[in-house]
Amino acid sequence: QSALTQPPSASGSPGQSVTISCTGTSSDIGGYNYVSWYQHHPGKAPKLIISEVTKRPSGVPDRFSGSKSGNTASLTVSGLQAEDEADYYCSSFAGSKNFLFGTGTSVTVL
Amino acid sequence: EVQLVESGGGLVQPGGSLRLSCAASGFSFSNYWLSWVRQAPGKGLEWVAKIKQDGSDKDYVDSVKGRFTISRDNAKNSLYLQMNSLRADDTAVYYCVKEGWYCFDYWGQGTLVTVSS
Repeated sequence: QSALTQPPSASGSPGQSVTISCTGTSSDIGGYNYVSWYQHHPGKAPKLIISEVTKRPSGVPDRFSGSKSGNTASLTVSGLQAEDEADYYCSSFAGSKNFLFGTGTSVTVL
Repeated sequence: EVQLVESGGGLVQPGGSLRLSCAASGFSFSNYWLSWVRQAPGKGLEWVAKIKQDGSDKDYVDSVKGRFTISRDNAKNSLYLQMNSLRADDTAVYYCVKEGWYCFDYWGQGTLVTVSS
């Protein structure tokens, strides 16, 4: 199974919004509402920021939101802040207990 | 507070073996599936293996099947990954991860495994 496809990079100025796409197939993203998103500051532990397509764990700012349409999921970060500069990965359940991760997107706050 | 602390990484020659450990605290260890996820240098995340709460069910990514074995000791709140016949493309930071509802809700900081002669 191949990794989910994300753009390598995205950027925005403080206060702006950035949206990251995550494209899979009908066997993963399109087949289940189990898309999650992770924020990873290099050298630190990755952090879950969205689960089940749209759910934010406790403590995650509401600036982070998720959505899905067909085989593509999206993460939107609104009101960009300096601390949002990080790598972001999507993940989807792909059946038979397996999970796929996305290729990763590096977000730069200009 | 959930804590996952990996250990056991290091430099190993191709064909060699290494055993990773993960010490967990802050949650009911025996109630959750656990996974190992890795990140090769300059690459994205890759799920490697997972184990059921009582250890009765395990699954692996195809590239490590027959070489890696995941196990757990619920009495010690510990997760393990025995890695045999290591190859250069196994070089990565390995993360110990607690599974939530169809997601990975807590991660350790990782341990680096380098396979090189």
